[in-house]
Amino acid sequence: DTGVSQDPRHKITKRGQNVTFRCDPISEHNRLYWYRQTLGQGPEFLTYFQNEAQLEKSRLLSDRFSAERPKGSFSTLEIQRTEQGDSAMYLCASSPQGSRADTQYFGPGTRLTVL
Amino acid sequence: AQSVTQLDSQVPVFEEAPVELRCNYSSSVSVYLFWYVQYPNQGLQLLLKYLSGSTLVESINGFEAEFNKSQTSFHLRKPSVHISDTAEYFCAVSGNQGGKLIFGQGTELSVKP
Repeated sequence: DTGVSQDPRHKITKRGQNVTFRCDPISEHNRLYWYRQTLGQGPEFLTYFQNEAQLEKSRLLSDRFSAERPKGSFSTLEIQRTEQGDSAMYLCASSPQGSRADTQYFGPGTRLTVL
Repeated sequence: AQSVTQLDSQVPVFEEAPVELRCNYSSSVSVYLFWYVQYPNQGLQLLLKYLSGSTLVESINGFEAEFNKSQTSFHLRKPSVHISDTAEYFCAVSGNQGGKLIFGQGTELSVKP
């Protein structure tokens, strides 16, 4: 396994701009999760996919946030009209299905700074 | 709904001393419990997990945690810490079918020489 990868690792943007992050899960992991982590806090769940289906979204995920996983492989997370409060580390994780679905493997994260 | 509380935000200890990082959870359903570790400038890594069976689980680097259902706790312990254990430790819970993780606020373990 090459691990979960995320791109970019860092993103600085101005308030009001749109940003998009990409996550490539471990090959053959059909579950993919997005979390957000702010300084001094634990990660907060945003949304997750099983294959291409988005199965759950957190109430934290406002209408400005959208996530896709069109072919059941990589996923994108888009934030429209960014606000300073969106500044955080965005984490992606993946897990296999079935008996090993309990363990999530995390990527290095994308650090977003909104000026 | 599930929630996790880590009772200590920072734990400073001297090298070779024992340590306990406390974690309590609440849930109306059966759960899986996890400890993840985040070393400086690195991503989250799974340290150990409880799914079922023996309530005492161990990691490869000497940490252990015990699931206590009556006290809804999953405290992490190590009898003798090393400088290299300095990191942020997160307790997390999920439902017993897997799925999203609910994390605690984290405990910063700082091991001093």
